[in-house]
Amino acid sequence: DQQVKQNSPSLSVQEGRISILNCDYTNSMFDYFLWYKKYPAEGPTFLISISSIKDKNEDGRFTVFLNKSAKHLSLHIVPSQPGDSAVYFCAASERTSYGKLTFGQGTILTVHP
Amino acid sequence: DVKVTQSSRYLVKRTGEKVFLECVQDMDHENMFWYRQDPGLGLRLIYFSYDVKMKEKGDIPEGYSVSREKKERFSLILESASTNQTSMYLCASSRTGGASYEQYFGPGTRLTVT
Repeated sequence: DQQVKQNSPSLSVQEGRISILNCDYTNSMFDYFLWYKKYPAEGPTFLISISSIKDKNEDGRFTVFLNKSAKHLSLHIVPSQPGDSAVYFCAASERTSYGKLTFGQGTILTVHP
Repeated sequence: DVKVTQSSRYLVKRTGEKVFLECVQDMDHENMFWYRQDPGLGLRLIYFSYDVKMKEKGDIPEGYSVSREKKERFSLILESASTNQTSMYLCASSRTGGASYEQYFGPGTRLTVT
């Protein structure tokens, strides 16, 4: 049973426009959410996170929105740049789980010049 | 600069061989994790450890075992490799407590079992 789902396998965006990546979860015990970015032949790197007590967190061009009632989060990248082309994973954690993360399937973002 | 290193970037093994994947972190983190990444399936947790000599099964532990004899080192063992264990293996570590659940990842080991 996939507790964290990214239903879009891929997304293609023009440079300078907004990229919106979506993620849904089913476990109501999740209380912390993270986004990771992964380039080919490299490990994932942390991008941005949000606690369940917030509904928005912003870091430069990256903003994560959390809608707890809908069990949905999204990552907005504005403006998108070709260097943002990568696989993006959302992940979720429960407070009592030794920091164990449950990951989604990933979305391949391609930003065209 | 924080660092997680994995013993090999690429490995090719034969079916039935015993395979050792090693991971070392230099951040004095309590928690360490092994994942495999497969297309369309994302990262799936195999095993994790929250302390030396402690281990917990993840979502897909079958066919794998782990060892953590020292805080900085976490090994993944494939007792008898099979072709369905061909995958990208990622190690990660994190600190216990604090506000963040951020995990730091190594570069991955691409394992091919023939």
